Amino acid sequence: GQQVMQIPQYQHVQEGEDFTTYCNSSTTLSNIQWYKQRPGGHPVFLIQLVKSGEVKKQKRLTFQFGEAKKNSSLHITATQTTDVGTYFCAGRDSSYKLIFGSGTRLLVRP
Amino acid sequence: DAGVIQSPRHEVTEMGQEVTLRCKPISGHDYLFWYRQTMMRGLELLIYFNNNVPIDDSGMPEDRFSAKMPNASFSTLKIQPSEPRDSAVYFCASSPGLAGVNEQFFGPGTRLTVL
Repeated sequence: GQQVMQIPQYQHVQEGEDFTTYCNSSTTLSNIQWYKQRPGGHPVFLIQLVKSGEVKKQKRLTFQFGEAKKNSSLHITATQTTDVGTYFCAGRDSSYKLIFGSGTRLLVRP
Repeated sequence: DAGVIQSPRHEVTEMGQEVTLRCKPISGHDYLFWYRQTMMRGLELLIYFNNNVPIDDSGMPEDRFSAKMPNASFSTLKIQPSEPRDSAVYFCASSPGLAGVNEQFFGPGTRLTVL
């Protein structure tokens, strides 16, 4: 079945440094969604990418969808302590289920 | 809107006991999902419903797990009998349309501990 892998598993950065998490699928994705889960919280939707090569920005967050629609990335510029949490990508399979990646846990040192 | 509501928020039970988790989706959302989250296995989809009808239960671990959606505003996930390996956070989520096309709104989760 479809698998969605994320790297790195953990990332510990100094406040102000940049952060990137990568998402790779074993199959071509129809679209991809990104979610953020704060410690002790629940996943919260951030964004959806649909088109090949699409790039979207939300303030300090930049999301990219690969040209082949098999990979995606989330880049945070100048991290802040409020960015702490686990970031999940989720790809849609042929049956319209979302397959969640393993997540990247971001820790920010103040 | 209050968002997705789950109860209880925490449940501690002993092995062999029956556990029932409850979910109220956002009004007007046609899709409801049950997920399980553990450190080892991450976020797993257990089952999802469309208009109260179970569509895909391939993620349900075994016959000890069952889920129902008697109406558009209520769903339950039942584990009988419970086992220590069922300890996890169980999330309910709802969506206004097809998964992967529309965003999913997650509830706060139920943290289940089976002793």
